[in-house]
Amino acid sequence: QKEVEQDPGPLSVPEGAIVSLNCTYSNSAFQYFMWYRQYSRKGPELLMYTYSSGNKEDGRFTAQVDKSSKYISLFIRDSQPSDSATYLCASAGSYQLTFGKGTKLSVIP
Amino acid sequence: NAGVTQTPKFQVLKTGQSMTLQCAQDMNHNSMYWYRQDPGMGLRLIYYSASEGTTDKGEVPNGYNVSRLNKREFSLRLESAAPSQTSVYFCASSVAGGNNSPLHFGNGTRLTVT
Repeated sequence: QKEVEQDPGPLSVPEGAIVSLNCTYSNSAFQYFMWYRQYSRKGPELLMYTYSSGNKEDGRFTAQVDKSSKYISLFIRDSQPSDSATYLCASAGSYQLTFGKGTKLSVIP
Repeated sequence: NAGVTQTPKFQVLKTGQSMTLQCAQDMNHNSMYWYRQDPGMGLRLIYYSASEGTTDKGEVPNGYNVSRLNKREFSLRLESAAPSQTSVYFCASSVAGGNNSPLHFGNGTRLTVT
């Protein structure tokens, strides 16, 4: 079992919808959790960074970590066509980050 | 501000040929990484360098070698390319190693081995 599991989608939503992206992880020692956004033919860029459990909000984006269920979520409010990208979750494992496979999101105008 | 720069952007190789992928960062980061990204497999770590002068294997190191030339530059070499190495290769850097230092990625090298 891969340490970080992520539904690859694809996910297609209308503009203005609330988007929920989710990952699960298996290593209870993970403390740091990140979301990266990757546009087509570009490298991933850091979107959200959280430590331990709880919520973190940045504009239209909210990252949520539930360590009791080993569940990581990213919520996007009022989604825009410019949010169309692949979203990768990542959790810390030993020295390196472990990435999920990514969820491809399309926001339709 | 260039960030992480990778060259070349595209490359086509024949089986058995060799090549070196170049990576440079201008953020004064200590740690650098090489990943490959394949459909359905996600990002997988090939090698990393925690600091200048050190390198370590990641999840999928076979068929690759690396050199940390100086603090700025970290190269990835394929000595004898195989079709299984067809992939998109990303270089990344971070302020420090460890699990709490976000990665900054380049825009990738798209490699095809025929």
